[in-house]
Amino acid sequence: GQQVMQIPQYQHVQEGEDFTTYCNSSTTLSNIQWYKQRPGGHPVFLIQLVKSGEVKKQKRLTFQFGEAKKNSSLHITATQTTDVGTYFCAAMNSGGYQKVTFGIGTKLQVIP
Amino acid sequence: DGGITQSPKYLFRKEGQNVTLSCEQNLNHDAMYWYRQDPGQGLRLIYYSQIVNDFQKGDIAEGYSVSREKKESFPLTVTSAQKNPTAFYLCASSISAGGGRGNTEAFFGQGTRLTVV
Repeated sequence: GQQVMQIPQYQHVQEGEDFTTYCNSSTTLSNIQWYKQRPGGHPVFLIQLVKSGEVKKQKRLTFQFGEAKKNSSLHITATQTTDVGTYFCAAMNSGGYQKVTFGIGTKLQVIP
Repeated sequence: DGGITQSPKYLFRKEGQNVTLSCEQNLNHDAMYWYRQDPGQGLRLIYYSQIVNDFQKGDIAEGYSVSREKKESFPLTVTSAQKNPTAFYLCASSISAGGGRGNTEAFFGQGTRLTVV
């Protein structure tokens, strides 16, 4: 079935440093979504990208969808301790049944 | 207050017993999902349903069963055939918009942590 590969699996950064997580698929994606899961919590939707080459920003977060719609990235500028958590990308299949497949996630630790 | 509710939050099961995890949503969503989360494994799809009385196996359906008799409810049964059932189980729902049209944001419940003793 459809798979999305996400790297890195873990990332430690000093507060104020930037952070990026990458998501890759071998197949063309209909769209890509990003979620954040705080420690002990449940995933919360951040954004959805649909168009080839799309770039969206949410304050310090920048999301990109590749031109071929096979990869995506989430970049956080000047991390803060509130950014701690696991970031997941998720992709929906383009077939008849709506199936959302998640990447393994990138666990971000921010050192104060 | 609209949302998706999972119960119970913590569940203990004796080995060899079946157990059912509840998931209810009042968001009027067509699509519902069950995921299993283990450390270092991300979210793995167990079953999903796009419409009432219809559901599909996900990537790790063995040892699990579901039903979708009502739009609001998508209970998951962890059977004794599931070899390693201890995990964090997450239920989610979304508006059904096949083919990627529209915003198909998934809303998650708080999760049920199942422990086999």
